[in-house]
Amino acid sequence: DADVTQTPRNRITKTGKRIMLECSQTKGHDRMYWYRQDPGLGLRLIYYSFDVKDINKGEISDGYSVSRQAQAKFSLSLESAIPNQTALYFCATSESWGREQYFGPGTRLTVT
Amino acid sequence: QKEVEQDPGPLSVPEGAIVSLNCTYSNSAFQYFMWYRQYSRKGPELLMYTYSSGNKEDGRFTAQVDKSSKYISLFIRDSQPSDSATYLCAMSANRDDKIIFGKGTRLHILP
Repeated sequence: DADVTQTPRNRITKTGKRIMLECSQTKGHDRMYWYRQDPGLGLRLIYYSFDVKDINKGEISDGYSVSRQAQAKFSLSLESAIPNQTALYFCATSESWGREQYFGPGTRLTVT
Repeated sequence: QKEVEQDPGPLSVPEGAIVSLNCTYSNSAFQYFMWYRQYSRKGPELLMYTYSSGNKEDGRFTAQVDKSSKYISLFIRDSQPSDSATYLCAMSANRDDKIIFGKGTRLHILP
């Protein structure tokens, strides 16, 4: 079984809808991250969490919120989706911030 | 100046060739250097991890770090079509610092 899983894998939604992306990990790591990836822009950090009670904004958090339900679960929400949030979203986890990160398979989100 | 710069490619080379992928960086404090491989429609996966300067070899892959020039390289020997992917460099100053990713280089190995 994969160490990091994401659901859904693909989602098409309309402008203004609320959507939640979910992530679970079995690595036992405290640190979890949400990134978005766009062509030409690379990976950009949206939010990160160092433990269940610690949530931090990344470089592009506007329009997003997160919830850390447990050590193994970290969800990303788009409260009111807009077309420029169309992207590939990745969840990742790591033992410490500066060490190797383990990524999920990604969610391809399209906002029409 | 961006912290990490990486040529986006695409880079197309014939099967069997030696491939050289590179990143430059500006922060002299970086000590941990990583290379990730990302296949189309998949998440990045760690390929190589090095600490400080020097070379590290793993099968057909060699990671090289030149801290004096702020330059890292990934070499792929005897390249195969299955090596076609996007390669991202990443680095950090220490275990408790943020990882900075390059934007990735798309590599195509032509059969």
